Amino acid sequence: EAGVAQSPRYKIIEKRQSVAFWCNPISGHATLYWYQQILGQGPKLLIQFQNNGVVDDSQLPKDRFSAERLKGVDSTLKIQPAKLEDSAVYLCASSLGDGSQETQYFGPGTRLLVL
Amino acid sequence: GDSVTQMEGPVTLSEEAFLTINCTYTATGYPSLFWYVQYPGEGLQLLLKATKADDKGSNKGFEATYRKETTSFHLEKGSVQVSDSAVYFCALSDQGGSEKLVFGKGTKLTVNP
Repeated sequence: EAGVAQSPRYKIIEKRQSVAFWCNPISGHATLYWYQQILGQGPKLLIQFQNNGVVDDSQLPKDRFSAERLKGVDSTLKIQPAKLEDSAVYLCASSLGDGSQETQYFGPGTRLLVL
Repeated sequence: GDSVTQMEGPVTLSEEAFLTINCTYTATGYPSLFWYVQYPGEGLQLLLKATKADDKGSNKGFEATYRKETTSFHLEKGSVQVSDSAVYFCALSDQGGSEKLVFGKGTKLTVNP
């Protein structure tokens, strides 16, 4: 079974530029999560989708971050404009989404460096 | 809000030593508890989980027991190997909520031969 795919794996940009990350979850998984992991910290949820609807985006900095999952499968996370403090690893995860506390499966992450 | 506190790292042990990584949590409801592991150069993987009080999760020789009275979920292994070197994250998920994971800061373990 293929895992969660993410691209790109690494990205270096200058502050005030924009960047986009892509995630393809495990086939059949209804729930998709984006987490931000700053160096030395645990991952923090940015946004959670159930199919193509948003369940939780309370910690998403909406003035600069946006995310979509238009067809309920792939998702993109965008930052515009980027700030230095956005340097982090962005993790995508997916789960079945049947409400049974099932396992979340994580992708390899995209490492972003903002200069 | 919900939170997880892990013991500070890094932790360095010799092969075959006993491992304990402490984890305590704060939650308003009755969360599920998890340990995730991140090996060098790899993504996060679920190591073990427990969904109710007194449950014991186990995998690859690691164990953790859900202690509601002490709000703890300490990770233990009786004899570590070099291949256990990784970063370990304790996390909780609020049952009945959005099922998002709230993570601790992680504990880096290095096992020397």
